[in-house]
Amino acid sequence: EVQLLESGGDLVQPGGSLRLSCAASGFTFSNYAMSWVRQAPGKGLEWVSGIHGGGQSSIYAESVKGRFTSSRDNSKNTLHLQMNSLRVEDTAIYYCAKDSLPQNGVWDAFDIWGQGTLVTVAS
Amino acid sequence: EIVLTQSPGTLSLSPGERATLSCRASQSVSNNYLAWYQQKPGQAPRLLIYGASSRATDIPDRFSGSGSGTDFTLTISRLEPEDFAVYYCQQYGRSPPFTFGPGTKVDIK
Repeated sequence: EVQLLESGGDLVQPGGSLRLSCAASGFTFSNYAMSWVRQAPGKGLEWVSGIHGGGQSSIYAESVKGRFTSSRDNSKNTLHLQMNSLRVEDTAIYYCAKDSLPQNGVWDAFDIWGQGTLVTVAS
Repeated sequence: EIVLTQSPGTLSLSPGERATLSCRASQSVSNNYLAWYQQKPGQAPRLLIYGASSRATDIPDRFSGSGSGTDFTLTISRLEPEDFAVYYCQQYGRSPPFTFGPGTKVDIK
């Protein structure tokens, strides 16, 4: 069964850091680009970051550029999101999501999502 | 950045009725890289439609997508009780950011 399981969400003070992880199983992890999508309480979905299957490049929303870094360890089938200089407005459930097609030069729709991990930024 | 607008914000319908949801893009979506997701309370989103009109795996055929360019539609032919949820459109492809629309809530009338 294809599965994604996020972890690492916590309560952190403004200006603090947090590292989220996403453990993947049931598919050839390195063949797929992965993304992070977040959802503030009671709000809609916001794409945050994507990373190619080989980890050679990553892209970011303007709202997190320079503060967040995506990485992956294909030997451990794990995706990470390092979040620095956290702001109150970063409070959200963070989902990792898998591209629906193997790496093909295009970022695809997300066919598998994790259950999410809650990040709360507050003093 | 492509901005997606969804309408209506809320759609109140009865089981068995037809639902028509709209997603409009601020500029043309290349190759019709437009997806629809369903989200129920406390759950992660689920992919329904990709490429504007292709159903994802295990999605019932009462869900259909259409449109091209800047105007897209998700149609649920006959609403089942489990279809009452929030629906988001998203554009993806070659040019990030891969934005989502604000969502349409389909609730029971």
